[in-house]
Amino acid sequence: EDQVTQSPEALRLQEGESSSLNCSYTVSGLRGLFWYRQDPGKGPEFLFTLYSAGEEKEKERLKATLTKKESFLHITAPKPEDSATYLCAVRGSNYQLIWGAGTKLIIKP
Amino acid sequence: GAVVSQHPSWVICKSGTSVKIECRSLDFQATTMFWYRQFPKQSLMLMATSNEGSKATYEQGVEKDKFLINHASLTLSTLTVTSAHPEDSSFYICSAPTGQGQETQYFGPGTRLLVL
Repeated sequence: EDQVTQSPEALRLQEGESSSLNCSYTVSGLRGLFWYRQDPGKGPEFLFTLYSAGEEKEKERLKATLTKKESFLHITAPKPEDSATYLCAVRGSNYQLIWGAGTKLIIKP
Repeated sequence: GAVVSQHPSWVICKSGTSVKIECRSLDFQATTMFWYRQFPKQSLMLMATSNEGSKATYEQGVEKDKFLINHASLTLSTLTVTSAHPEDSSFYICSAPTGQGQETQYFGPGTRLLVL
């Protein structure tokens, strides 16, 4: 059964304290792994799409990496405005999009 | 990135009335759009897939007669919550795929529905 698990559920960091969020997945025939950011009361904002193991993508303080079993969202020297819930989703060979429960990230000034 | 809009952003209605939510792709065409529902502190739950020119496909457990979907054009899909009840109160979000292989979905800002 296709499955996505994100950890931790919540993460509190001091401003400037780098860390990583994890997205572990089980899927048949990965067609893409997606990272989104969601602020309270808003729709998810697209961040990255990764297609194959070894692929990496960066955007400002965020870097996403992918292996055959998991993806990491690395955040370097975060700022308070990086506080949000980060969602991971995968699409398998059946084209269904499976969502993780998200990681709530809080960056304290 | 691609832009998807939703209207209204929030709505309050009385129990028993119907509410229509619009989803538009502003700078691209979308033959397919998706409607999600999100409860507080929970992830997205796919309700249905809206298909331009054909009937929507509903996920298991979603009442198609309660949540009417119409994909009127290549840039517009509407979700009508019929005879709304307090348990229908939720955050409704639409999305549309675009980009390489139509794999990436872009989301609207969401519509907060409160049924009194």
